[in-house]
Amino acid sequence: AQSVTQLDSQVPVFEEAPVELRCNYSSSVSVYLFWYVQYPNQGLQLLLKYLSGSTLVESINGFEAEFNKSQTSFHLRKPSVHISDTAEYFCAVSDAAGNTGFQKLVFGTGTRLLVSP
Amino acid sequence: DGGITQSPKYLFRKEGQNVTLSCEQNLNHDAMYWYRQDPGQGLRLIYYSQIVNDFQKGDIAEGYSVSREKKESFPLTVTSAQKNPTAFYLCASSSPGLVTTDTQYFGPGTRLTVL
Repeated sequence: AQSVTQLDSQVPVFEEAPVELRCNYSSSVSVYLFWYVQYPNQGLQLLLKYLSGSTLVESINGFEAEFNKSQTSFHLRKPSVHISDTAEYFCAVSDAAGNTGFQKLVFGTGTRLLVSP
Repeated sequence: DGGITQSPKYLFRKEGQNVTLSCEQNLNHDAMYWYRQDPGQGLRLIYYSQIVNDFQKGDIAEGYSVSREKKESFPLTVTSAQKNPTAFYLCASSSPGLVTTDTQYFGPGTRLTVL
């Protein structure tokens, strides 16, 4: 079974500062990794995902995450945040080695990013 | 536009009453899911369905029921047996359901409050 740990429940930063949201996972098999973003009172939107290939994945709005197998991490970074990035961010993992046709997504508890002017 | 709709956005219910949350998708996705979100706990899987007329329990199915009579629809009933039903409920879908790389797409959610 997989598990995901997001140690920071809240990360306050100033606008235009860099930010890193940490995500560590635990799994005995190969995994797929995801970051989702949730704005207040809305559903989740996929931000980026790692399936295979390059360990650095990027989103269209400047976020990036790097899969580090040795450290079992998938931290999310952005070099310069905007006020509009204020949201809750969820890291999720699924089993990449399963063959049952259903891949359960296991979510972390989320990190609330608070960007101040 | 393709997407997932959930209704109502806000729902209030008295204790002891059953209530049904709607989830509809026009993405032609085979798989659909229901999650419950509580503050500080992330998302927990209630039920999922990989195909019409079939569904499976997730991690916290007690006190909930579902049906999947149509590909587009996956309603969730919160029964009076659910001890703590106040939460934010999210529906999701993915396709085709047999490929491990499928991304789950989420609806806007329904906030249920038990009075």
